[in-house]
Formats: sequence, C-alpha cells, structure tokens
Amino acid sequence: QKEVEQNSGPLSVPEGAIASLNCTYSDRGSQSFFWYRQYSGKSPELIMSIYSNGDKEDGRFTAQLNKASQYVSLLIRDSQPSDSATYLCAVRGGGNAGNNRKLIWGLGTSLAVNP
Amino acid sequence: DVKVTQSSRYLVKRTGEKVFLECVQDMDHENMFWYRQDPGLGLRLIYFSYDVKMKEKGDIPEGYSVSREKKERFSLILESASTNQTSMYLCASSPLGAPYEQYFGPGTRLTVT
Repeated sequence: QKEVEQNSGPLSVPEGAIASLNCTYSDRGSQSFFWYRQYSGKSPELIMSIYSNGDKEDGRFTAQLNKASQYVSLLIRDSQPSDSATYLCAVRGGGNAGNNRKLIWGLGTSLAVNP
Repeated sequence: DVKVTQSSRYLVKRTGEKVFLECVQDMDHENMFWYRQDPGLGLRLIYFSYDVKMKEKGDIPEGYSVSREKKERFSLILESASTNQTSMYLCASSPLGAPYEQYFGPGTRLTVT
C-alpha cells in the first residue's frame, strides 16, 4: 500500500514566523510532488509542485524535496493569519501505468497562524 | 481562471435512491476526477477520466459509476444510495500536460438518510 504521511497537527505559529510542514512517502518510484491548501469548508487548491531534488521558491512559499530520504516539505515564510488552513501533500504514484495516473494524498496538516 | 462547477452544494437523499452528481469544467481539460473526502480518511479517488467516454476506476469505485459523454461534463452516479455514502464529493479537472495539477469544484455535501 503506497502511503503519504503527514503530521495532523495542529501546528500553531505566531504571525511573521516560519511555518514548516513535512510529508513522507513510501513509494521510491514517485516523481512528482504537490502541496494543496484547503481552507475550512472549501475545496483544495494547488499552491506548489516540485519534481526534482532541492528547493523551489514561489513568493513566501518554498517546497523542498529529498528523494533519497523520501520526504517533501513546505516552508511558509512571514506566516499570516490568512495562511491558516489544512495543507495536503500529494504524490504521483510510481510504477505501473494504473498507479502512476493517480495522486496519493496525505491526510493533511492543520496550520494555525496566531495574530 | 479555471472554473469547475458542481450541480448541488448540498443534497439529501434516501437510502436506495439513484443519485446523480454532475460536474462541469470550462477550460477544455482532458482529465476529470471524482473524489470523496471524509474526516480521518482524507481524499479518496472514486473514478477518473482522461478522455471522453473513457473512465478508470480509482481506489473506491464500489457502489458508483460515472459517465463522460462530453469533454466538459463528468457525472458520478450512485446506483443505490446507502448511508455509508454520506460524504463530501469533490470533482476536479486538469489539463493533458499537467494531469496532477488539479482544479477542484466547490464540492457537494451528500447526506443519505
């Protein structure tokens, strides 16, 4: 069973701090990694994708990928109360054609940014 | 902006009824997906489609079927609704070149009594 694991939280950080969200995955063949944000009562929205080892920055968001250790993380700099949401890690399945057409989802980490 | 719309925001049905959930996207996306989201279980893929009239089973297809007669529309059918199908149903679409960068609709909260 291919899995994606996240700490459920809640992760609580003060406004202006760096929030660090982590995700580990079990399928060594996975090639594509995504972070989705889901506000309470809303549907998920894609905020970052990363495909190769290292860091990828987009504004206040940085995604980090380490395939050897099988983890992907999301850093949010200068956290704002509007960043309070659940962050879902999703990994494209590796291996056979059926599995690699799907995303494997983590259960999400709840982030609370306190003013 | 990509827009994915779902036919109902809230729906209440009785056990045994046949239920239709419809999803329409306006960005000419090839791929469309149906998920359900439950507390503690996360997002689970029911069915997906990568072309008109094509469909593939996801992780939990039992009790569901789908129809994609037109590129922009993907319907989820509960053949005989049961209480364990009470859930939030989310439709998503994505383009051919980026199938995993999915755009979600607002969701349908289905309650089966």
